[in-house]
Amino acid sequence: SQELEQSPQSLIVQEGKNLTINCTSSKTLYGLYWYKQKYGEGLIFLMMLQKGGEEKSHEKITAKLDEKKQQSSLHITASQPSHAGIYLCGADTPGGGSNYKLTFGKGTLLTVNP
Amino acid sequence: DTEVTQTPKHLVMGMTNKKSLKCEQHMGHRAMYWYKQKAKKPPELMFVYSYEKLSINESVPSRFSPECPNSSLLNLHLHALQPEDSALYLCASSQGGSGISSPLHFGNGTRLTVT
Repeated sequence: SQELEQSPQSLIVQEGKNLTINCTSSKTLYGLYWYKQKYGEGLIFLMMLQKGGEEKSHEKITAKLDEKKQQSSLHITASQPSHAGIYLCGADTPGGGSNYKLTFGKGTLLTVNP
Repeated sequence: DTEVTQTPKHLVMGMTNKKSLKCEQHMGHRAMYWYKQKAKKPPELMFVYSYEKLSINESVPSRFSPECPNSSLLNLHLHALQPEDSALYLCASSQGGSGISSPLHFGNGTRLTVT
């Protein structure tokens, strides 16, 4: 089965600093998703990457998928307290037959100190 | 605001109770999901419905029984649960069927406590 490794497990940064979270797969990624979760709440979809070398940005968050489609990074520029939360990468994995299912890495807990 | 609505937000039930979790979406999505999330862990898939038919069951114990009455609604019926079933239960939906890559949209979850 496909496993997703996220690093770091947790991250504390000062407001205004840049940061990067990584997600590495043991197998080729066919659909890679980034989500953000506040404690005890639902997951908020950030971005989806499918093509090798693809890069997407939304506001101050940029996500990239490497050419080999086995590693993705999430970069936050000039972090703000509102960026704090748990960031999860997820990947489409075979679920039997023609079905795919979304499985997650263990998450990265981001704290942004004002 | 999330476009996937889950009720109730919190639920406390005894091990002999029967209760149901409800999920609703009006985005026209054709796939719906139940995930279970324990504290400090990522969500784990339980069930997938595609076009109102159960397409994936991740070997979930029979005390959890999903139901998809129509394309907008998803229920999870609970019976004879154990304290270790206490968790955040998340519902999600996606545009395509489960064989198509599309992002999942999650509700805010039901916090379940089994006493």
